[in-house]
Amino acid sequence: SQKIEQNSEALNIQEGKTATLTCNYTNYSPAYLQWYRQDPGRGPVFLLLIRENEKEKRKERLKVTFDTTLKQSLFHITASQPADSATYLCALGMNSGGYQKVTFGTGTKLQVIP
Amino acid sequence: NAGVTQTPKFRILKIGQSMTLQCTQDMNHNYMYWYRQDPGMGLKLIYYSVGAGITDKGEVPNGYNVSRSTTEDFPLRLELAAPSQTSVYFCASSYSAQAGGNQPQHFGDGTRLSIL
Repeated sequence: SQKIEQNSEALNIQEGKTATLTCNYTNYSPAYLQWYRQDPGRGPVFLLLIRENEKEKRKERLKVTFDTTLKQSLFHITASQPADSATYLCALGMNSGGYQKVTFGTGTKLQVIP
Repeated sequence: NAGVTQTPKFRILKIGQSMTLQCTQDMNHNYMYWYRQDPGMGLKLIYYSVGAGITDKGEVPNGYNVSRSTTEDFPLRLELAAPSQTSVYFCASSYSAQAGGNQPQHFGDGTRLSIL
């Protein structure tokens, strides 16, 4: 069966350290992968997109890697800050006849401790 | 810019009642989506629309209906509310895949719905 797995347990890290979140998938062939941030009581907000032919993408303190052989994406936040505390969702995108089908993972809650 | 606006923010319904969740976007996006988010379950697609007048079912459409008469608006209708429909509902929009491919989705802040 198809699965997208993100750490169900919260990730607690010390301020200033690098946070690494994992997204693993099974029985999908995504054309791209997106990462979103969701704060309590708010809708998800898009952060980064990486395509299947890209290994790595960076945006300021954020870095995403995509390994289609391992079927895994890693999301890194360097020099983490308490303001980075949120739930982070990965989403797999599949192009299907012009319509982009996006399937979301359940998210990992990140807590950055001052 | 307002982005995606959802109303109401909160609602309590009795079993069997009906209601419409409103969603409007001001970004001229072709695609619009309705999701529900339950604790530990992730976002599940209910319905989506690729343009005015065109809608299609997502993963969990039973018990819901939608319409898309304009580019801006995509209301979600619950006809006979059931406790299983207690959830947080998110509306989202995006440009079409043909517009550049792999377009990110822009979400509203959700409607928290309880069916008692």
